[in-house]
Amino acid sequence: NAGVTQTPKFRVLKTGQSMTLLCAQDMNHEYMYWYRQDPGMGLRLIHYSVGEGTTAKGEVPDGYNVSRLKKQNFLLGLESAAPSQTSVYFCASNPSTDESAAQYFGPGTRLLVL
Amino acid sequence: GQSLEQPSEVTAVEGAIVQINCTYQTSGFYGLSWYQQHDGGAPTFLSYNALDGLEETGRFSSFLSRSKGYSYLLLKELQMKDSASYFCAVRALRGYYGNNRLAFGKGNQVVVIP
Repeated sequence: NAGVTQTPKFRVLKTGQSMTLLCAQDMNHEYMYWYRQDPGMGLRLIHYSVGEGTTAKGEVPDGYNVSRLKKQNFLLGLESAAPSQTSVYFCASNPSTDESAAQYFGPGTRLLVL
Repeated sequence: GQSLEQPSEVTAVEGAIVQINCTYQTSGFYGLSWYQQHDGGAPTFLSYNALDGLEETGRFSSFLSRSKGYSYLLLKELQMKDSASYFCAVRALRGYYGNNRLAFGKGNQVVVIP
């Protein structure tokens, strides 16, 4: 059981470039989330999904798009990267019946936009 | 919406007890979680409180007072490996897309010294 994995671990982009971050989970979880973490800001929710084929906006969705074509995968896209998107991105998942609200996090993707 | 407040940093010696506080304001409340995050690592779930009172899990305890919008995490018998950031996260009001959205505080750094 790999849990939640993220690809890539680290990436450097130039302003205006695009990229896709991949999150995969092998726990058959319904819910998946993308967060960003900046120094002193805690974790902020970008987008989330409550099941295959569904997505919804979180707290800071601008500049990002997501897709959940398969239950186990949740993709985060940056169409035109900006320096303000330099951050650490975490993916998380949990089963829909988990009343304790424990979310399981991936190891993170560190993104630097120049 | 939600707002969460956490003090920034605490230093304590091995074997000591540390209390980390979290105050919150939210338009809807279903529960509060605590997460631990080591430098460069992913957040990991520690505890969850939905009702008033104390929950104990090994060396860690978490307390909740819903009427006061207040929670604390108690770390007992501190060990060097407890040096990390600790985040409280409020489980948001049940919405159309489910009830497992979390709003995270900015975190509290705990430094354990010999």
